[in-house]
Amino acid sequence: AQSVSQHNHHVILSEAASLELGCNYSYGGTVNLFWYVQYPGQHLQLLLKYFSGDPLVKGIKGFEAEFIKSKFSFNLRKPSVQWSDTAEYFCAVNGGDKIIFGKGTRLHILP
Amino acid sequence: DAGVIQSPRHEVTEMGQEVTLRCKPISGHNSLFWYRQTMMRGLELLIYFNNNVPIDDSGMPEDRFSAKMPNASFSTLKIQPSEPRDSAVYFCASTLGAGELFFGEGSRLTVL
Repeated sequence: AQSVSQHNHHVILSEAASLELGCNYSYGGTVNLFWYVQYPGQHLQLLLKYFSGDPLVKGIKGFEAEFIKSKFSFNLRKPSVQWSDTAEYFCAVNGGDKIIFGKGTRLHILP
Repeated sequence: DAGVIQSPRHEVTEMGQEVTLRCKPISGHNSLFWYRQTMMRGLELLIYFNNNVPIDDSGMPEDRFSAKMPNASFSTLKIQPSEPRDSAVYFCASTLGAGELFFGEGSRLTVL
């Protein structure tokens, strides 16, 4: 069965710090990979996605993620976070029948 | 496109009352998902439909919950009777194939 694991449940950083959020998945076949962001009081919005091609994917607001097939990982990164990045981040995997979400990582940026 | 449309945005009701949440997916999408989100349990998949057919309802918590999708442009999630522990934000989302999921703005339910 598909599963998605996000290692960090709660992350606190200062502005300008670098960010990396871990995501690992388990699925035997070809997958599409996603990162979603949920700002306080809002719905989930797509941050970036990987379907095929270059494993380094660039998304909105300076975020990027790298698909490493051998490690079943799709970690999210940002070189310098801002206070406005305070939100919850969800990794998701779609193996063709349904999308499975990780439990989310709450990111809190200190001004 | 207007995106995924949910109604009502907010509902406050008393325990025992019937609650109906509605969702209009993005036109052309063939899969629709209902999620529930709470602080304690996070984001939970309740049920999803493919081409209007329920595929997996294993996340529906109890018989008090039911969902229907009578056509490609409308779905309902019903709770009868409602209980305080059903208080949550309920999200509807739609997609085409294995593409990205588009979420509605959610229905915030409070059961007193």
